[in-house]
Amino acid sequence: GQQVMQIPQYQHVQEGEDFTTYCNSSTTLSNIQWYKQRPGGHPVFLIQLVKSGEVKKQKRLTFQFGEAKKNSSLHITATQTTDVGTYFCAGHSGGYQKVTFGTGTKLQVIP
Amino acid sequence: EPEVTQTPSHQVTQMGQEVILRCVPISNHLYFYWYRQILGQKVEFLVSFYNNEISEKSEIFDDQFSVERPDGSNFTLKIRSTKLEDSAMYFCASNSRGPSEQYFGPGTRLTVT
Repeated sequence: GQQVMQIPQYQHVQEGEDFTTYCNSSTTLSNIQWYKQRPGGHPVFLIQLVKSGEVKKQKRLTFQFGEAKKNSSLHITATQTTDVGTYFCAGHSGGYQKVTFGTGTKLQVIP
Repeated sequence: EPEVTQTPSHQVTQMGQEVILRCVPISNHLYFYWYRQILGQKVEFLVSFYNNEISEKSEIFDDQFSVERPDGSNFTLKIRSTKLEDSAMYFCASNSRGPSEQYFGPGTRLTVT
């Protein structure tokens, strides 16, 4: 079945440093979504990418969808303590209803 | 802003007992989902529901699981005979466009003893 992996599994950064998480799917995706889950919370939708090579920005967050639509990345510039949480990508392959979540990257920001 | 709600927030049950987890999706949404998350692990798809029927289910969603939309607002997940390994956080989600952005509820923590 479809596998979606993320690296790194954990990342500790000093406040103000940049952070990047990478997402790789075993199959070509129709779209990819990114979610943030705060400790003890539920996943919260951040963004969806649909087109090959698409880049979207939300303030300090930059999301990219690979040309082959099998990988994606999330980059946070100048991290803040409010960025703490686990970031999940979630991919959808055509013909299915389900969205497969990645393994997640847990971000810890040291003040 | 409309939200997905779930009850109870925490359910403790004994192995072999039946549990029903309840969700109220956002009112104009058409697609409904259940996910589970074992502590510290990834979010796993269980089932999707559209037009009053299951549209897809994972290998986790075996005969012990069932879903129902008994009225116009509730969406339930039933586990017929709970096992220790069913202990997890169960999230309900909904959306209006199928496999796109999912709006998650706060979750029900199920503890099977």
